[in-house]
Amino acid sequence: GAVVSQHPSRVICKSGTSVKIECRSLDFQATTMFWYRQFPKQSLMLMATSNEGSKATYEQGVEKDKFLINHASLTLSTLTVTSAHPEDSSFYICSAREDPNTGELFFGEGSRLTVL
Amino acid sequence: AQRVTQPEKLLSVFKGAPVELKCNYSYSGSPELFWYVQYSRQRLQLLLRHISRESIKGFTADLNKGETSFHLKKPFAQEEDSAMYYCALRGTGNQFYFGTGTSLTVIP
Repeated sequence: GAVVSQHPSRVICKSGTSVKIECRSLDFQATTMFWYRQFPKQSLMLMATSNEGSKATYEQGVEKDKFLINHASLTLSTLTVTSAHPEDSSFYICSAREDPNTGELFFGEGSRLTVL
Repeated sequence: AQRVTQPEKLLSVFKGAPVELKCNYSYSGSPELFWYVQYSRQRLQLLLRHISRESIKGFTADLNKGETSFHLKKPFAQEEDSAMYYCALRGTGNQFYFGTGTSLTVIP
């Protein structure tokens, strides 16, 4: 199946700094990627839909200025957590569809962010 | 609004016993439902989708629109089935919404 890769897998930063997480589709082009946040022992919460060449669509309650999403190419979407605080510590997962018709999502391995 | 509910956070069954993981949904349109699985230390992956009406690794799931359910079933659980299972619904904007997940443990 298709492969989605995230980088970094783990990142630790100081409060107030910004952190960028990359999501790449390695063997296919993805016009749409999805960013999720997963709290410990909880479900995946959809944060936003990243659209190549246009603005991301954010879910209700997700701060656009806090979580900046850029989808500059068909194989790369980035999530930047700006001015990170300890409550932003979480597991961030991206996903993409290879074929819009099948609906199957391929997931990245996730990125664990720890804000000190 | 769309919503996916998995009422059981934890489920334990003995090897060889039948297993059913429950999923209910709320959606105004025609739903498209999926089951995703996450094995230990691995990423989420698709298990099956209701459109395909297929059996994967012995698992099946039938969409019941009357009961708004999409329960996952397997007649004889195996140890390797121990994993986290997520029910997901595909919305009108092509977003996927996930349930809270059920952690299945198959006891040897």
